[in-house]
Amino acid sequence: NAGVTQTPKFRILKIGQSMTLQCTQDMNHNYMYWYRQDPGMGLKLIYYSVGAGITDKGEVPNGYNVSRSTTEDFPLRLELAAPSQTSVYFCASSTTSVSYEQYFGPGTRLTVT
Amino acid sequence: ILNVEQSPQSLHVQEGDSTNFTCSFPSSNFYALHWYRWETAKSPEALFVMTLNGDEKKKGRISATLNTKEGYSYLYIKGSQPEDSATYLCAPYSGAGSYQLTFGKGTKLSVIP
Repeated sequence: NAGVTQTPKFRILKIGQSMTLQCTQDMNHNYMYWYRQDPGMGLKLIYYSVGAGITDKGEVPNGYNVSRSTTEDFPLRLELAAPSQTSVYFCASSTTSVSYEQYFGPGTRLTVT
Repeated sequence: ILNVEQSPQSLHVQEGDSTNFTCSFPSSNFYALHWYRWETAKSPEALFVMTLNGDEKKKGRISATLNTKEGYSYLYIKGSQPEDSATYLCAPYSGAGSYQLTFGKGTKLSVIP
């Protein structure tokens, strides 16, 4: 049982490039989330999903897109990378409700230069 | 998005000292409160999810209380150890059709051996 896995661990992008951050969970959780962590700012929710085929915006969705074709996978897409997207990105999942604890992946450190 | 405040922002304690910190949140539309522990270079791990006014939860030397009427929660650590050094995050959940946790900026605890 690997929990929540994320790839890659680190990535450097040039301005304007695109990339997909991968997130997979093997706990059969319905709810999945993408957060970014900026120094001194805490965790901000980018997008979330309450089940396969259902996604919605969080607090800071601009510049990102997501899809949820299976219960296990919740990739995050950056289309035109900007320096403001330099951050650490965490994927998380929980069972059936936001009232339940969230399990976090190890994070992806992204630098856009 | 809820207004969440954690205090203090950081504190240093000697090994063996007991300590506590506070999470304040709006008392209206309360549904649940999460506490997470976040060690440097790792990902957040759930400590507690609390829902009822007067709730007390305990895990080893760490405990938490909840007052939903006045909108605060305390986290206590008894006999701090160096391995307790981490940032402690709280995140209230308001329900009300939202699927988002709002994370506070955290209290960074350093335990000096």
